[in-house]
Amino acid sequence: AQSVSQHNHHVILSEAASLELGCNYSYGGTVNLFWYVQYPGQHLQLLLKYFSGDPLVKGIKGFEAEFIKSKFSFNLRKPSVQWSDTAEYFCAVMGNSGNTPLVFGKGTRLSVIA
Amino acid sequence: EAQVTQNPRYLITVTGKKLTVTCSQNMNHEYMSWYRQDPGLGLRQIYYSMNVEVTDKGDVPEGYKVSRKEKRNFPLILESPSPNQTSLYFCASRRPGQMNTEAFFGQGTRLTVV
Repeated sequence: AQSVSQHNHHVILSEAASLELGCNYSYGGTVNLFWYVQYPGQHLQLLLKYFSGDPLVKGIKGFEAEFIKSKFSFNLRKPSVQWSDTAEYFCAVMGNSGNTPLVFGKGTRLSVIA
Repeated sequence: EAQVTQNPRYLITVTGKKLTVTCSQNMNHEYMSWYRQDPGLGLRQIYYSMNVEVTDKGDVPEGYKVSRKEKRNFPLILESPSPNQTSLYFCASRRPGQMNTEAFFGQGTRLTVV
């Protein structure tokens, strides 16, 4: 079964600081990888996704993530955060065969302060 | 517009009073699922359905039922709600068993059981 580990429970950054949120997964086969964001009081929105090809994927709002297969990692990055990036971020993995479920990490809460 | 619609958005109920949370999608997706989101635990899958009349348990199915009589609808039923089912619930849909598929989420239903 798949599992996802997000290293940080709560991250606090000042505006313009760089962001990196860690995500490691466990799965024996080919995977699809996702980062979702949840702004306060809202539903989940897809930030970016990796299916195949270039391991560096770019998403919305200046976010990017790098898939490192040898490390089973899919870390999320942003060079310069804004106050509006305050949200909870979820890494998720789905196996690429059959009807495997979409499994989420426990989430990382990001607080950006002025 | 492609969307997943949940109702109600907010619900306060008493222990033991049966309730149903509805979920409807307009993307003709075969695969639908229900998650609950709790602080520090991320999103955990309750039930999923791969097609009409095909449902199966996720990671935390106890105390819940589902049905899939039509492709577009996937209601979540709590026959006898208890306070430990107080949570934020999300319905999701996607195409099943294919590469390059992503899940679409509803707006969420915040349930409080007193």
